[in-house]
Amino acid sequence: NAGVMQNPRHLVRRRGQEARLRCSPMKGHSHVYWYRQLPEEGLKFMVYLQKENIIDESGMPKERFSAEFPKEGPSILRIQQVVRGDSAAYFCASSPGTQSYGYTFGSGTRLTVV
Amino acid sequence: GNSVTQMEGPVTLSEEAFLTINCTYTATGYPSLFWYVQYPGEGLQLLLKATKADDKGSNKGFEATYRKETTSFHLEKGSVQVSDSAVYFCALSDRGNQGGKLIFGQGTELSVKP
Repeated sequence: NAGVMQNPRHLVRRRGQEARLRCSPMKGHSHVYWYRQLPEEGLKFMVYLQKENIIDESGMPKERFSAEFPKEGPSILRIQQVVRGDSAAYFCASSPGTQSYGYTFGSGTRLTVV
Repeated sequence: GNSVTQMEGPVTLSEEAFLTINCTYTATGYPSLFWYVQYPGEGLQLLLKATKADDKGSNKGFEATYRKETTSFHLEKGSVQVSDSAVYFCALSDRGNQGGKLIFGQGTELSVKP
C-alpha cells in the first residue's frame, strides 16, 4: 500500500511562471490537506479538500493560489505567477476521515523560485 | 486563536543523554495533541499522540503526557541515539473545527553526537 505520493520532489520556476504540485492520497483516503513550510518555520495549514469539494481554505493566500481534488486523479495545488516568497516546501497529507490522528504525510515538493 | 509554542533549538546532546523538548499550547475546548518527527529531506511522521487530558502517548522510547492544568505536552526520552537527530514538531488539532486541521509549533532541531 503506497503512501502519500507527491510529485515532483523538487521544482524550480522562474518568477512569473506557474507551479503545479500534485498529491496522490493513500488508497482509501478521501481527505487531503496541504501545508506550507517556509525555511526555519513550522508547517502552516493551507487548505483541506474532499473529493470535488474545498472544505476549508482559510490558510490559502487570497491571490494566485488555488487547489482542487477532482473525482479522478490527484489533488493539485496551483500557484500562478510565482514570486520568490513562494519558495518553500509544500506538504500534502491524507486521511480516511476527519480525525487528524489518521494523517499520513507525503515527502513534500520543494519549490524554488529563481 | 489556537497556537503551539515549542522551545527553541537547536538542541545538541550526547548519545544516551536525557531529552526534554518543551511544548505548550493555547486552545479553546479539548484539542488532541501530537508530536511529529521530520528527518532531513523527508516528510513528517507521526511519533505519538494523546487525545484527552492525562493521556500519555509513547513510541520508540519517546513519551509525552497531556497536561491540561499546565497546557503542556513535553516530549521526553530517557536515552537518545544518534539516529534520533531530526526536527521535532508539536501540534494540536482543535476538534471544534471542521476537519482535522493541525496547528504546528515552529519545530525544534535535535542533534545527537556520538
